[in-house]
Amino acid sequence: DAGITQSPRYKITETGRQVTLMCHQTWSHSYMFWYRQDLGHGLRLIYYSAAADITDKGEVPDGYVVSRSKTENFPLTLESATRSQTSVYFCASGMYTEAFFGQGTRLTVV
Amino acid sequence: AQTVTQSQPEMSVQEAETVTLSCTYDTSENNYYLFWYKQPPSRQMILVIRQEAYKQQNATENRFSVNFQKAAKSFSLKISDSQLGDTAMYFCAFMKPRGTYKYIFGTGTRLKVLA
Repeated sequence: DAGITQSPRYKITETGRQVTLMCHQTWSHSYMFWYRQDLGHGLRLIYYSAAADITDKGEVPDGYVVSRSKTENFPLTLESATRSQTSVYFCASGMYTEAFFGQGTRLTVV
Repeated sequence: AQTVTQSQPEMSVQEAETVTLSCTYDTSENNYYLFWYKQPPSRQMILVIRQEAYKQQNATENRFSVNFQKAAKSFSLKISDSQLGDTAMYFCAFMKPRGTYKYIFGTGTRLKVLA
């Protein structure tokens, strides 16, 4: 199916563990984004990518790593999870007319 | 840097009534796009309406319309004939179509439509 998919939908992990959230899009959009959603903060940009092998930091990049070896995939890795990274994470792809979002991943760090 | 402000954390409206959600933004750019996204309890982000800054005419999509005041940097969303399905979080967003195409979001307004 065409679209943008995230996996997993839900994840519980322990403090200090490495976690990778996956994102895959089928439209071949050049631009992809990772946001986190927290109450009172809206959606804040973590990292974005303009094309394969081109990534840059957003507003809240600390503690996260991204890669983009293929246009369609944009995984987000928490190198050593902390409780402050408990959040809902959204991947998006898009262009100037619209950003298309995945279903989100609810990550809980205990 | 661009910022987007939504000053109404929560609002409620009676079914069939009209409600207006506020959004202001700050930018030095002349060409940009503004969006309203809806996030129902399913968590899915859904585009409601889009406005191009160089267009004077306010965008309209069925029951949804905007009041775009470029000089005042204001972009409010009006929902007419509110329906129970309009209950959701609404986010205002700004995008500059040069360079990174980053979408900058406000903190959201939680709208509840009452039966």
